[in-house]
Amino acid sequence: IAGITQAPTSQILAAGRRMTLRCTQDMRHNAMYWYRQDLGLGLRLIHYSNTAGTTGKGEVPDGYSVSRANTDDFPLTLASAVPSQTSVYFCASSEGTGRSPLHFGNGTRLTVT
Amino acid sequence: AQSVTQLGSHVSVSEGALVLLRCNYSSSVPPYLFWYVQYPNQGLQLLLKYTSAATLVKGINGFEAEFKKSETSFHLTKPSAHMSDAAEYFCAVRDTGFQKLVFGTGTRLLVSP
Repeated sequence: IAGITQAPTSQILAAGRRMTLRCTQDMRHNAMYWYRQDLGLGLRLIHYSNTAGTTGKGEVPDGYSVSRANTDDFPLTLASAVPSQTSVYFCASSEGTGRSPLHFGNGTRLTVT
Repeated sequence: AQSVTQLGSHVSVSEGALVLLRCNYSSSVPPYLFWYVQYPNQGLQLLLKYTSAATLVKGINGFEAEFKKSETSFHLTKPSAHMSDAAEYFCAVRDTGFQKLVFGTGTRLLVSP
């Protein structure tokens, strides 16, 4: 079934450690996104990529980095995790036009202790 | 800047009753509007979208939404609630000339027997 695969499903991480959340899509979508979901705050955009080779900052980019070496993969890296990065992280993709909806993965639940 | 306001973090209805989830948007240009549903421990699924065609949009699972420019609203309705409708619902907006999708803070729908 076509879609977005995120890994790991959940992770407990010690503060100060480095962590990469993986995201792969098989729909050949141009655009990809990373959101974090926190209670009462909805989904907030961390980083996005309109096409392979380009990335941009979203609403809450500090402490996170991304790369887009090819169309399918869009990893999110926390260089040195802090407790405020405890959240559920969702990767999404879209065809890249204004009217095209986002397709979401099932999320990664990250706890930073 | 585009934004979305969802009135009511929680809405409770009885099974068989009308569902009304409110969404108001702010956008300087004609927007694209989306409703998503999230079931526990899952990603977001598209319910319906408005992309400047018909103002009354029908989605999956019997939901529909009406775009009202004069009220800057895109409220989600369903004539008769079912227990399986219990979930969190997110409204989202994207300006026609802007790639990023901005989400509201969500409304949790509770359905009682």
